[in-house]
This record gives sequence, C-alpha cells and structure tokens, in this order.
Amino acid sequence: EAGVTQFPSHSVIEKGQTVTLRCDPISGHDNLYWYRRVMGKEIKFLLHFVKESKQDESGMPNNRFLAERTGGTYSTLKVQPAELEDSGVYFCASSERQGIRSGELFFGEGSRLTVL
Amino acid sequence: DAKTTQPTSMDCAEGRAANLPCNHSTISGNEYVYWYRQIHSQGPQYIIHGLKNNETNEMASLIITEDRKSSTLILPHATLRDTAVYYCIVRPLGGAGGTSYGKLTFGQGTILTVHP
Repeated sequence: EAGVTQFPSHSVIEKGQTVTLRCDPISGHDNLYWYRRVMGKEIKFLLHFVKESKQDESGMPNNRFLAERTGGTYSTLKVQPAELEDSGVYFCASSERQGIRSGELFFGEGSRLTVL
Repeated sequence: DAKTTQPTSMDCAEGRAANLPCNHSTISGNEYVYWYRQIHSQGPQYIIHGLKNNETNEMASLIITEDRKSSTLILPHATLRDTAVYYCIVRPLGGAGGTSYGKLTFGQGTILTVHP
C-alpha cells in the first residue's frame, strides 16, 4: 500500500514567485493535514481537511497561503507570493475517518521549500 | 492542549533499552499521550498512544504513571535506526471542544542517539 506522497521533494524559488506543493494521501483517508517546519522552529500545524472541506485552518500563517482539496482526494498548497520566511519543510499527513481512540497520522516525506 | 517537557537529548547503547521520559503535569482527564518520532529527513512517524493504562505494540511500550503526570516511552532493544527526535504530545479526544482531531502540537522533542 502506498504511503502519503508529496511533490516536489525540493523546490528552490526566488522571493515573489509562486510555488504549488502537492500531497496525495493514503487511499481512502478522509482526513488530510498540512504541517510545516521553518528553520530552527518546531513543526507547526497549518490546516486540516475532511474530504474536500476545511475543518480547521487556524494554523495558516497569512493569506499568501492557499490550500485546496478538490474532490476530496489530493491536496495542493500554494504560496503566492513566496517570502524568505516561508522557507522550510512542508509535511502532509492523512488519517482514517475520525475516531475516538485512533490517533495515528501518516506523514509524507515532506517538501523542502527554499526561497532565495 | 497540555504542555509537555522532555529532555533535550539522550544517548543509548545499541541493543539496550532506551527509556525516554516526558512530563505532562497539567494533563486533563480527557487527554491522551501520544509519541511520534522523526528520523532525519523523513516525516514524523506515529509510535504509540495511551490514556491511563500501559500500552505495548510492536515498536515500543508506553508507561503512564498512576497520576498521569508523566510517562516513559520504552524502546526495548534500541538499534542504530532508532536514532531520531522523539516527540511526546498530549491532546484531547478527537473533536473535543472543537479541536481538530489531527492538530498535534510538536515541541522540541528529545534527540535520541543510539551508538554502537
């Protein structure tokens, strides 16, 4: 069974440009999450999709970030325009239908973003 | 979510048990203790979680004190591949108080180094 896959693994762009990160969750997982770690900081939650709906986007830093999950399958995270402080590793995770006792998120390998 | 405190780093000899402590003195009755780890250049990986009883799976054991104010993750026979950052995370049951089920708060974690 394929795990969570993210693309690209590494992207280098200049300040002001646009980048789109893609995440393919594990097949059948309704829940999809975006996290990121910027240089020297802790891993931070960005947002949570349940199927195609945004359940919680409290961690999105500002309106330069746009996440979508059309059709409830893969998700994209667009940064436009990118700033230097956006550099870091962006992780996607997925999980099965929400349950009281289940706490396991499956993370992808991450997309490293470098803004010059 | 309750705050957790972990040692910054620990060492362990290969083949020996690694015991990673975590303090969560402000934990609430409805909060679980989760452990994740991040091996270099990979995404976080779920290890185990528990509420108040000790738990064991194929990866590790989780010992939670009776007052639930601290816990210990035990890797019974550490290998070099267990070298990673280990995160102790406390969070409530899914959906409680509107909290996103997968909204994990990662701290600094414990850097575990397993040496030959």
